[in-house]
Amino acid sequence: ETGVTQSPTHLIKTRGQQVTLRCSSQSGHNTVSWYQQALGQGPQFIFQYYREEENGRGNFPPRFSGLQFPNYSSELNVNALELDDSALYLCASTKGDRGRYTEAFFGQGTRLTVV
Amino acid sequence: QKEVEQDPGPLSVPEGAIVSLNCTYSNSAFQYFMWYRQYSRKGPELLMYTYSSGNKEDGRFTAQVDKSSKYISLFIRDSQPSDSATYLCAMSALTGSNYKLTFGKGTLLTVNP
Repeated sequence: ETGVTQSPTHLIKTRGQQVTLRCSSQSGHNTVSWYQQALGQGPQFIFQYYREEENGRGNFPPRFSGLQFPNYSSELNVNALELDDSALYLCASTKGDRGRYTEAFFGQGTRLTVV
Repeated sequence: QKEVEQDPGPLSVPEGAIVSLNCTYSNSAFQYFMWYRQYSRKGPELLMYTYSSGNKEDGRFTAQVDKSSKYISLFIRDSQPSDSATYLCAMSALTGSNYKLTFGKGTLLTVNP
C-alpha cells in the first residue's frame, strides 16, 4: 500500500454532469499530480499541484480543474462530462522539493464511466 | 511521433523465463526513468527508477537505460505467475518547478504456470 487514497472507487455519471474526485496524499508529501488512463493506454498527465498552487498542466481543456488543500489533499473537478472522459483517474503524490526528483506513488484510482 | 513508445504486446511466457520489456523515447530532456507494474483495475506500483544511463538491479528485476540510444529496458529473471500484469515505462523531466511523468502505453505480460 502506498498511503495514497482516492475516493470514490467507481462512479457513473451522465453526459453533461459535473464530477469531483478526491485524493489524500501520502504523509509528508506536498505535491499531487492527476493522471487520466483510458482503457489500454498509459496514464496521461492532467495537472500537478504543489503547495496549493497549480504547477504544470497537460493537454486537457479548462473544464478539468483542481484544488489542493492545506493538508495537501486534492480534488479533481470535471465539468460538462463527455463520453470520452470515461477512464481511470489516478492521483500520484510526491515529496516535492523544487527541482529535486522524488518518486511518485499512485493511489488505486477512480474509475469514471460517463453514459 | 509519441514521446514514449512501448510495444503493447501482449507477451506470454512460461514460468521461469527471462522477460525483456523495452521502451524508446524522443525527448532528450528526460532525466529519470521508471518502471511501474499495474495489475488489472489497480493503480500503478513503482518497481524501479534510474537516473541517467546505466543498470540498476533489485532482486529478479534489472533496469537498463541507454540515453545515447534513447532506449530503456526492464528484465525479469525467473518470471513467476504473480508477475502477470501490465508493465508501464515512465520518464520524467522537470516541468515548472517539479517533475511530471510521461508514460508508455504499457505491455501486458502473462506468465503461464
